[in-house]
Amino acid sequence: DADVTQTPRNRITKTGKRIMLECSQTKGHDRMYWYRQDPGLGLRLIYYSFDVKDINKGEISDGYSVSRQAQAKFSLSLESAIPNQTALYFCATSDFRGDYYNEQFFGPGTRLTVL
Amino acid sequence: AQSVTQLDSQVPVFEEAPVELRCNYSSSVSVYLFWYVQYPNQGLQLLLKYLSGSTLVKGINGFEAEFNKSQTSFHLRKPSVHISDTAEYFCAVSEVASYGKLTFGQGTILTVHP
Repeated sequence: DADVTQTPRNRITKTGKRIMLECSQTKGHDRMYWYRQDPGLGLRLIYYSFDVKDINKGEISDGYSVSRQAQAKFSLSLESAIPNQTALYFCATSDFRGDYYNEQFFGPGTRLTVL
Repeated sequence: AQSVTQLDSQVPVFEEAPVELRCNYSSSVSVYLFWYVQYPNQGLQLLLKYLSGSTLVKGINGFEAEFNKSQTSFHLRKPSVHISDTAEYFCAVSEVASYGKLTFGQGTILTVHP
């Protein structure tokens, strides 16, 4: 079973629509992250959360919002989607304990297309 | 602010040849360094990481990287590549006080030809 899951895996939507991408994890990690990947730009941080009550903007948060519903769930919303938000979106988790200190674990990604 | 530059966007190589993927970073404070690999249509998987100690770090699948503080580099190497190593590779940096926030490089696409 996957430790970090993302739904949906693929989504096509129209400009102006509201869309939510969901992330769930069974790793028991407190820290969760949302990134977008664009060809030639690598991954860029959108939002991150260190616990349920702590949410922070990343490098490119404009046009996005997030919700941390529980330790295991972290959702990313596009309130009014636009074509330049077409990208591959990744959720990740991390912990600061033990052998996996500071290592981020990634979900399989959501490919979003905004027409 | 931290930044990462991967010096090659694409690296073609023949099977069983050695390969080096170059990564330079910029930061005014101590950092942790990572290499991730992304196989086609998959998420990212950690290859190796440098937190402290020995500057030569060994990872999975026969990869290794060397941290060079004076040159602010963290180049990834493998002495003999396989077709299955074809993937995109990302270098990433995290400042020690940044609570795990990663900054990624632009990625290097490694293509191994038979």
